[in-house]
Amino acid sequence: DTGVSQNPRHKITKRGQNVTFRCDPISEHNRLYWYRQTLGQGPEFLTYFQNEAQLEKSRLLSDRFSAERPKGSFSTLEIQRTEQGDSAMYLCASSLVQGFNEQYFGPGTRLTVT
Amino acid sequence: AQTVTQSQPEMSVQEAETVTLSCTYDTSESDYYLFWYKQPPSRQMILVIRQEAYKQQNATENRFSVNFQKAAKSFSLKISDSQLGDAAMYFCAYRSPWETSGSRLTFGEGTQLTVNP
Repeated sequence: DTGVSQNPRHKITKRGQNVTFRCDPISEHNRLYWYRQTLGQGPEFLTYFQNEAQLEKSRLLSDRFSAERPKGSFSTLEIQRTEQGDSAMYLCASSLVQGFNEQYFGPGTRLTVT
Repeated sequence: AQTVTQSQPEMSVQEAETVTLSCTYDTSESDYYLFWYKQPPSRQMILVIRQEAYKQQNATENRFSVNFQKAAKSFSLKISDSQLGDAAMYFCAYRSPWETSGSRLTFGEGTQLTVNP
């Protein structure tokens, strides 16, 4: 399967701890997106990369959040000093730049902060 | 900023029947893209159907079709001959065509569809 993959699928952490999630996009896709989805809501945009450059960050992405895509392939999303309000599903998507650039989503990482 | 509203948190339909999910949006742009995504329980989101705003013809994909009313800013999804596998959360989404937005998707709150056998 060459779809978007995310690891881990589930993460439980204590408040104040740091967590890191990984996303592996479809190999030929040069755009990569992060979204956050809370229970019963639609996904909200966090940030996106084109190749290794982070081109846009939402105001939802506080200073405790950082994302990287060091070689334009996989990406990591780190949350420092987690808070209970960070509990959510974190979705990754990838797309091509040209053409219709349909976004393909991964299965998500569910974060629970206790 | 664009907003997307789905006013039906839950809908149900009998197997083999037809159901319509509603979506309205707000934008000042004249050209844009609209999408319906399906998110089954514990599974990843997949694209169901898309519509380019400059196209007057409503998009159709097998049993799925849309009713796009640009003036009313309405974009409903019709599912014909509903199947048990159609049960999922459905999200309406908007995307600006401009590169300054980075192709980000703006989603509605979702409609949980139940299909009864």
